[in-house]
Amino acid sequence: AQSVTQLGSHVSVSEGALVLLRCNYSSSVPPYLFWYVQYPNQGLQLLLKYTSAATLVKGINGFEAEFKKSETSFHLTKPSAHMSDAAEYFCAASRGVQGAQKLVFGQGTRLTINP
Amino acid sequence: GAGVSQTPSNKVTEKGKYVELRCDPISGHTALYWYRQSLGQGPEFLIYFQGTGAADDSGLPNDRFFAVRPEGSVSTLKIQRTERGDSAVYLCASSLKVAGDNEQFFGPGTRLTVL
Repeated sequence: AQSVTQLGSHVSVSEGALVLLRCNYSSSVPPYLFWYVQYPNQGLQLLLKYTSAATLVKGINGFEAEFKKSETSFHLTKPSAHMSDAAEYFCAASRGVQGAQKLVFGQGTRLTINP
Repeated sequence: GAGVSQTPSNKVTEKGKYVELRCDPISGHTALYWYRQSLGQGPEFLIYFQGTGAADDSGLPNDRFFAVRPEGSVSTLKIQRTERGDSAVYLCASSLKVAGDNEQFFGPGTRLTVL
């Protein structure tokens, strides 16, 4: 079965510092990969997605992620953290074949930004 | 345009009671998904609909859980004989079509508490 692992349930960075949130997937077939952000009391919002086109994917709010097949990874980065980036971040995967459109999520990483 | 809406936003019930959770997807979206998010965890897939039919219900934990989408739009998740372990946030999402790379738009969720 496909699984998604996010390393680090909590990440804390200073404002202006690099943000790096780690995600690894397990699948014999590279899946479609997604990063979602969840602000308190709000629904999940898509940041970016990988669909087998470019391996470096740019998303909203200055985030980007790089798909590395050799490492089965899809880490999320942002060069300079803002206070407004504080939220819960989820990596997710789907297989993209008929009958397998469900998303499999990692356990989430809570990002804290220190002033 | 309106996003995915879910009602109620909060539901408190007693063990053994029956509850219904409603989801209104984005107009025109043919695919509808239900997920469950327990405290500190990522969302877990329950069921998804393509039109009126349940295309994959493999995530429903047991036969106390049932979902319908009779007219291919609004969906209701029904839980019989609720247990304390059913307490979680129930998320609904919709997408324009059923495809692995299609963005799923999430509602704010219904927080269910079983006393």
